[in-house]
Amino acid sequence: LAKTTQPISMDSYEGQEVNITCSHNNIATNDYITWYQQFPSQGPRFIIQGYKTKVTNEVASLFIPADRKSSTLSLPRVSLSDTAVYYCLVLPGPLNTGTASKLTFGTGTRLQVTL
Amino acid sequence: SQTIHQWPATLVQPVGSPLSLECTVEGTSNPNLYWYRQAAGRGLQLLFYSVGIGQISSEVPQNLSASRPQDRQFILSSKKLLLSDSGFYLCACNPGGTLNQPQHFGDGTRLSIL
Repeated sequence: LAKTTQPISMDSYEGQEVNITCSHNNIATNDYITWYQQFPSQGPRFIIQGYKTKVTNEVASLFIPADRKSSTLSLPRVSLSDTAVYYCLVLPGPLNTGTASKLTFGTGTRLQVTL
Repeated sequence: SQTIHQWPATLVQPVGSPLSLECTVEGTSNPNLYWYRQAAGRGLQLLFYSVGIGQISSEVPQNLSASRPQDRQFILSSKKLLLSDSGFYLCACNPGGTLNQPQHFGDGTRLSIL
């Protein structure tokens, strides 16, 4: 059972900013919002994580509204090499049989960047 | 930082044969360990997770089993493979004893069942 909802695909031109939104209505108090990037035939790679408001690193920004029921990954000035699948995941606080199902990734958002 | 080793990278097995995929972790102690499977064009399904030696939790009923004989070793096994076991198998870890830490993934094993 998927715990998050994202667009299936997005297209962008090189140099543009891309915003991918994820819905996670059942987020719990101790859950953290985490985004991964996956290239074909590779394991997912961690991009950014946040709890609330805004987080920024050298790769991306993550915007989280006050109710935390959604989040937006922002990729500034994408390049062709940013073409990948992006996953939004809600990492549970306590890891047990009641929360581990949150660790199943959905189908993600397939971002295609072109010239 | 954590490094995850998975082998083999690719594997072709006949239906009914046994399976053993190994994952080892460096750079951390007492990690949480995970096995995922990804079918073609699909997301990653959590199969097993382990919070310590000998502690295995299964998320879905299936033809596979997992074991953790050492702190940083996680093994995925099957006695008799089915066609439906084909897929991309990924091992992941994050620091144990801490909350909400992002997972680090290995490079995966692509398993084809003939």
